[in-house]
Amino acid sequence: GQQVMQIPQYQHVQEGEDFTTYCNSSTTLSNIQWYKQRPGGHPVFLIQLVKSGEVKKQKRLTFQFGEAKKNSSLHITATQTTDVGTYFCAGDGGADGLTFGKGTHLIIQP
Amino acid sequence: DAGVTQSPTHLIKTRGQQVTLRCSPKSGHDTVSWYQQALGQGPQFIFQYYEEEERQRGNFPDRFSGHQFPNYSSELNVNALLLGDSALYLCASSLVAGPEHFGDGTRLSIL
Repeated sequence: GQQVMQIPQYQHVQEGEDFTTYCNSSTTLSNIQWYKQRPGGHPVFLIQLVKSGEVKKQKRLTFQFGEAKKNSSLHITATQTTDVGTYFCAGDGGADGLTFGKGTHLIIQP
Repeated sequence: DAGVTQSPTHLIKTRGQQVTLRCSPKSGHDTVSWYQQALGQGPQFIFQYYEEEERQRGNFPDRFSGHQFPNYSSELNVNALLLGDSALYLCASSLVAGPEHFGDGTRLSIL
């Protein structure tokens, strides 16, 4: 079945530093979605990417979808303490529902 | 406008028992999906219901079954509980092919 790998598993940064998480799928995706989960909370939808090579920005967050529609990245510029949480990518292959990666836990040191 | 609501919030069961979890979707949503999230892991897709039928299913045994009612609410049933079924069970609602809106989940502990 479809597999989605996400790296790194943990990322420690100083407040103000940048952060990037990477996502790779074993199969071509129809779309990829990104979610954020705060400790003790539930995943919250951030964005959906559909087109090959698509780049979308939300304030300090930049999302990219690879040309082959098998990989994606999330980049946060100048992290803030409110960015703390686990960031998940979720690939939609069309047949098996959403496949989530294991997530990247972002820890920010003030 | 209420979001996705799940009940109960916490549940403790013993091995071999059966459990039913409930979910009310966000207003206006017609599709309900269930996920299992083990500690420190990403959510794993169990199945999705649309128009009261199971539309997609992940790699979960037949012990996991569900139902969707005419008002779009849904139930997840798990039979013959195993220790490994201990997890956070998340319900998510959406419009077809739209992003998932998650509830706060039910924390299931198996003793």
